[in-house]
Amino acid sequence: GAGVSQSPRYKVTKRGQDVALRCDPISGHVSLYWYRQALGQGPEFLTYFNYEAQQDKSGLPNDRFSAERPEGSISTLTIQRTEQRDSAMYRCASSLYWDRDLTGELFFGEGSRLTVL
Amino acid sequence: AQTVTQSQPEMSVQEAETVTLSCTYDTSESNYYLFWYKQPPSRQMILVIRQEAYKQQNATENRFSVNFQKAAKSFSLKISDSQLGDTAMYFCAFMKSIGSNYKLTFGKGTLLTVNP
Repeated sequence: GAGVSQSPRYKVTKRGQDVALRCDPISGHVSLYWYRQALGQGPEFLTYFNYEAQQDKSGLPNDRFSAERPEGSISTLTIQRTEQRDSAMYRCASSLYWDRDLTGELFFGEGSRLTVL
Repeated sequence: AQTVTQSQPEMSVQEAETVTLSCTYDTSESNYYLFWYKQPPSRQMILVIRQEAYKQQNATENRFSVNFQKAAKSFSLKISDSQLGDTAMYFCAFMKSIGSNYKLTFGKGTLLTVNP
């Protein structure tokens, strides 16, 4: 697609429910990142993939959070048993595989705003 | 672990004037990349400028330029001839360039308001 697409744009859920957030990166982009951004704060790294391989998941807060990218394109971030503290904007970004000689710019989606009641 | 510090939570400037946003970072890496991203009220994330640590020349993009001081681990953003459309949150970010993990680490941001 023309840009990084995320869905849903807004999600309101009750505490204890599971949610799945989807990211469709720019076509041909190898790297895909998930960030979480609280209001008034900078984006906080969660995890990232090169193709289908999860390269780094050190930012996932706990085992309720998981992500996958089974075919190296669309990715899903899943939060199980949601808690109020999970409320935030969840942003996806994609880039060409980072190489010293390539631009490697991250292109961000508009985000999925999650509210846990 | 790398950290990025933006010590100015908020700044304001008059239209057409120049403003400088500060950023410092902490890393043991010798090769890395630094970025400034802009987040306007629409909450998009827009790349403003980037700097490779191995380049001594400061990056420039039209009205935006950086002052990169590698020894001091400082990476400030200068906006010249400020425009109303420059009003936004500005995030400084760091990415190391070694290995296969290219995680981007952001600072907490500086809210810039350009006044008419």
